[in-house]
Amino acid sequence: DGGITQSPKYLFRKEGQNVTLSCEQNLNHDAMYWYRQDPGQGLRLIYYSQIVNDFQKGDIAEGYSVSREKKESFPLTVTSAQKNPTAFYLCASSPEGLAGAITDTQYFGPGTRLTVL
Amino acid sequence: AQSVAQPEDQVNVAEGNPLTVKCTYSVSGNPYLFWYVQYPNRGLQFLLKYITGDNLVKGSYGFEAEFNKSQTSFHLKKPSALVSDSALYFCAVDNYGQNFVFGPGTRLSVLP
Repeated sequence: DGGITQSPKYLFRKEGQNVTLSCEQNLNHDAMYWYRQDPGQGLRLIYYSQIVNDFQKGDIAEGYSVSREKKESFPLTVTSAQKNPTAFYLCASSPEGLAGAITDTQYFGPGTRLTVL
Repeated sequence: AQSVAQPEDQVNVAEGNPLTVKCTYSVSGNPYLFWYVQYPNRGLQFLLKYITGDNLVKGSYGFEAEFNKSQTSFHLKKPSALVSDSALYFCAVDNYGQNFVFGPGTRLSVLP
C-alpha cells in the first residue's frame, strides 16, 4: 500500500532534550512538508522540501531542523531551542514542490503527538 | 498577506439534515481551494478541490463545495449528514508559488 507513515504516534520528551520525528513516504513524491497543529490555530508550516538535499523554512522554523537525504524520508528534529514544542505534528507530501504545485493535493501522514514533560 | 477564515469553531447538525461548513479567503489572484477532513487522532484526508471551471465541486463521501468569487467563499456542503461525518474540517488555499495556507478548522458534530 502506498502512503505516508509517521513514527512514533506518541512521543514524550524531557525539557532540554532534542527529539526526532520520522516521516517516510513510498508515493514517489518530490515534495515533503512538516506542519504543526495547535488547537484553534489550524496548521502552520515548519519546513518544506521540494527535492532531495534541499529544504526551505516555513512560517515557524525556529527551534526545528530537518534533512532530506533520501526522497522517501524527511525527518524533523525538535531542538531544545523550541520554546513550546508540545503539539501535534503532521507530515505531508505532494508530487511536486510548492513552486510547481498549481493543483497538487497534499497527502498527510497520521501524525505524531509530542508532549514535553 | 493571504489568509483563510473559518468563522465557526463548531457546527452542530442533526443526522439526516443538510450541513454547511463555511470558509472565506483573502488572497490575490486566482487561488486554488481545498477541503481536508481530520478524524480523531488521525492525519488529514483530502476531500475536494477547486481549480477552475464549474463553481460546484464534488468530492469524497458525498461532500461538495461551492466556489463564489464575488464573496471569496468556498463553503463545504452535504445534503444529508451522517454521524460518521463528525470530525475537524480544514479549508486551505494554495496560491501558486506561495505557501499552502490552512484555516483554523471547524469541528463538525452530527447528532443522532
